[in-house]
Amino acid sequence: GQNIDQPTEMTATEGAIVQINCTYQTSGFNGLFWYQQHAGEAPTFLSYNVLDGLEEKGRFSSFLSRSKGYSYLLLKELQMKDSASYLCAVRDRWSNQGGKLIFGQGTELSVKP
Amino acid sequence: EPEVTQTPSHQVTQMGQEVILRCVPISNHLYFYWYRQILGQKVEFLVSFYNNEISEKSEIFDDQFSVERPDGSNFTLKIRSTKLEDSAMYFCASIPSGGYNEQFFGPGTRLTVL
Repeated sequence: GQNIDQPTEMTATEGAIVQINCTYQTSGFNGLFWYQQHAGEAPTFLSYNVLDGLEEKGRFSSFLSRSKGYSYLLLKELQMKDSASYLCAVRDRWSNQGGKLIFGQGTELSVKP
Repeated sequence: EPEVTQTPSHQVTQMGQEVILRCVPISNHLYFYWYRQILGQKVEFLVSFYNNEISEKSEIFDDQFSVERPDGSNFTLKIRSTKLEDSAMYFCASIPSGGYNEQFFGPGTRLTVL
């Protein structure tokens, strides 16, 4: 089966740091993705991990542990515009094998002043 | 910067009617996907398409659904006889090659079935 779990919602304060966790159990694994989605809009790509460890990209970092089936997205120096849904997704195979994204439910992050 | 485009942005239809949702992927992209998102729920994979044929389809993608790349630029999703439960946001996505990671999503078509 395919199971991706993340918290439904989180609240944080402007300027703070927030960590959004994701655990997964999928029949195949070829990378873990984080997307940001504002209400009524398309998901936009934030980060990608295929090997264990931390990937840093400006204010955003993402961590992966394949043995634990665990990832997190770290957002630093939070801004009001970071209020959005954050989607954890696993790609089950290489794209040239038809690899699709399997999404979690998303974590709705509210950033308060 | 090139983008995936989708038309229409919003489609309202009566139950039982056929709808065609259109996508224009980025021009040099080779792999194409359709996903849907029912309001308040997660994004779900429908179908992947490469080299003019379906690579994989989900359980949702039953006989009522079909995809086509009629002219080398458009990528369409047809729902033959819409049901109330087909009401959702439909996203098209594409990637340039098999080794590429980021899937580029279009803005979506909101389908409302009455």
